[in-house]
Amino acid sequence: GENVEQHPSTLSVQEGDSAVIKCTYSDSASNYFPWYKQELGKRPQLIIDIRSNVGEKKDQRIAVTLNKTAKHFSLHITETQPEDSAVYFCAASGSGTASKLTFGTGTRLQVTL
Amino acid sequence: DAGVIQSPRHEVTEMGQEVTLRCKPISGHDYLFWYRQTMMRGLELLIYFNNNVPIDDSGMPEDRFSAKMPNASFSTLKIQPSEPRDSAVYFCASSFAWTEQYFGPGTRLTVT
Repeated sequence: GENVEQHPSTLSVQEGDSAVIKCTYSDSASNYFPWYKQELGKRPQLIIDIRSNVGEKKDQRIAVTLNKTAKHFSLHITETQPEDSAVYFCAASGSGTASKLTFGTGTRLQVTL
Repeated sequence: DAGVIQSPRHEVTEMGQEVTLRCKPISGHDYLFWYRQTMMRGLELLIYFNNNVPIDDSGMPEDRFSAKMPNASFSTLKIQPSEPRDSAVYFCASSFAWTEQYFGPGTRLTVT
């Protein structure tokens, strides 16, 4: 089955700096890669996703890049703010009913003032 | 839409008791997922349904766990008998056409 590795497990940045979280996956058939943000005590919420026919996608301060050859994808947050502090999860899945989302182990991002 | 609804939000029970968690997916969504989240194991998929039919239950840890989806607007996850190691946050999520899963608020289960 799919295996998703996520790094780093914790990340501390100063407000205004950029943060980068990286994930690798094992199944070359995977074609959907979402990122979820989970604040303390809350539910995971989708913040951005990318499909295998796109190399990069951006939404305001958040961007995701995908390298299918190397089987890795990354989340980039620019101009970080204290409200960006949370745990971020990457995930990967194929298409169709035989597939499912496999989540990474999460990255705890702390944005300090 | 109210989003995915789960009940109860918190459950404290004694070892050996039966626990039933409930979920109402977003109207119109055809996929429903049950996840378990712990510090040690992260976010694990237990089972998922498509059009009320269980598709993959390979994540269900033991026979003590069972899940049903009698109709498009309701699903249950049952643990019988419960054990302390079942303590976790259980999330239900739903999606339309497989992707973009929306999570419910979760049920925090504590088994003493």
